[in-house]
Amino acid sequence: AQSVTQLGSHVSVSEGALVLLRCNYSSSVPPYLFWYVQYPNQGLQLLLKYTTGATLVKGINGFEAEFKKSETSFHLTKPSAHMSDAAEYFCAERNTGGFKTIFGAGTRLFVKA
Amino acid sequence: DTGVSQDPRHKITKRGQNVTFRCDPISEHNRLYWYRQTLGQGPEFLTYFQNEAQLEKSRLLSDRFSAERPKGSFSTLEIQRTEQGDSAMYLCASTGIGMNTEAFFGQGTRLTVV
Repeated sequence: AQSVTQLGSHVSVSEGALVLLRCNYSSSVPPYLFWYVQYPNQGLQLLLKYTTGATLVKGINGFEAEFKKSETSFHLTKPSAHMSDAAEYFCAERNTGGFKTIFGAGTRLFVKA
Repeated sequence: DTGVSQDPRHKITKRGQNVTFRCDPISEHNRLYWYRQTLGQGPEFLTYFQNEAQLEKSRLLSDRFSAERPKGSFSTLEIQRTEQGDSAMYLCASTGIGMNTEAFFGQGTRLTVV
């Protein structure tokens, strides 16, 4: 069964520091991969997605992620954290043969002043 | 297009009552999904429709849950005889044609069963 693993339910960084949120997917066939952000009592907003082509994907708000097939990983990074980045982040995958998006458990990002 | 909209945003109900939620997807999207999200967890897939056909249902969707999309546009999710364990955020999402399109989410309906 498909599964997405996000390492670390909470990550805390200082403002201006590097943000690294880890994600590993389970699919043996390269899937479509997504990162979403969720603010309190809101729906999910897409940050970026990987479908095919370039393995380094740039998204909104300065975030980017790199698809590494050999590591089955799709880690999310941002060079310099901003207070407004504090939120819950979800990694997700969809198999190329399916329509269902499967989500990880999420990582809550805290940004300290 | 204003995106995916859900109604109501919040619902408090007594245990044993029935509740119904509505989702209006992005108008040109033919696929619609329902997810449930509990505190500290990611969204869990419940069911999805392609046009008016319900193509997949999760085992999480007990007999008390039913979803419809009668004309291939808006969808409703009904929970009968609610239980405290049904308290969660219910999220609706839609996607367009194409395998690589992302899901667009509504803001969710937060259900509290007391």
